Amino acid sequence: AQSVAQPEDQVNVAEGNPLTVKCTYSVSGNPYLFWYVQYPNRGLQFLLKYITGDNLVKGSYGFEAEFNKSQTSFHLKKPSALVSDSALYFCAVRDGSGGYNKLIFGAGTRLAVHP
Amino acid sequence: DAGITQSPRHKVTETGTPVTLRCHQTENHRYMYWYRQDPGHGLRLIHYSYGVKDTDKGEVSDGYSVSRSKTEDFLLTLESATSSQTSVYFCAISQPTGVGYNEQFFGPGTRLTVL
Repeated sequence: AQSVAQPEDQVNVAEGNPLTVKCTYSVSGNPYLFWYVQYPNRGLQFLLKYITGDNLVKGSYGFEAEFNKSQTSFHLKKPSALVSDSALYFCAVRDGSGGYNKLIFGAGTRLAVHP
Repeated sequence: DAGITQSPRHKVTETGTPVTLRCHQTENHRYMYWYRQDPGHGLRLIHYSYGVKDTDKGEVSDGYSVSRSKTEDFLLTLESATSSQTSVYFCAISQPTGVGYNEQFFGPGTRLTVL
């Protein structure tokens, strides 16, 4: 069965420092992977996805993610954090049962960027 | 929020009453989804639709039903609301793709409280 794990409930980082939000996955077949961000009282916004190709995927707002097949990880990164990056981040993996672009989401990681 | 509206945005109801949530899209996307978001669980799929009048169950479908009579509208009904259905409900849309996997786009959410 497909699954995704976000091992950290919360990540704290100082503004200007690099940030990493971790995600590991378990899939059968091709690992289609996604990152979403949720700001307070808003819906989820798509950041980036890995389908195939280059292991470093670039997305919105300066975020990127590194796909590592041997470690079954898809960590979200940003070279220099902003206070405005503070939000809830979700990793997701395709649901292998029947397609229709269904996703399985992780529990989420709250990112707090301190001035 | 990608041409997706949800109504109502907030609702308080009593146990045992029926509740219907509406999702309306202007993107003409074929796939639509209903999720619930609860702390520690991320987003869990309730039901999804892969076309007009074509729906199927997701991970947490007990106590919920859906209908899709038009491409743009996807209704979620709680036949007899219970306190365990207190949650934030999100609608999402997506388009089929021939290769790979397309991302989903989310509405702003409906906060439902069942007393």
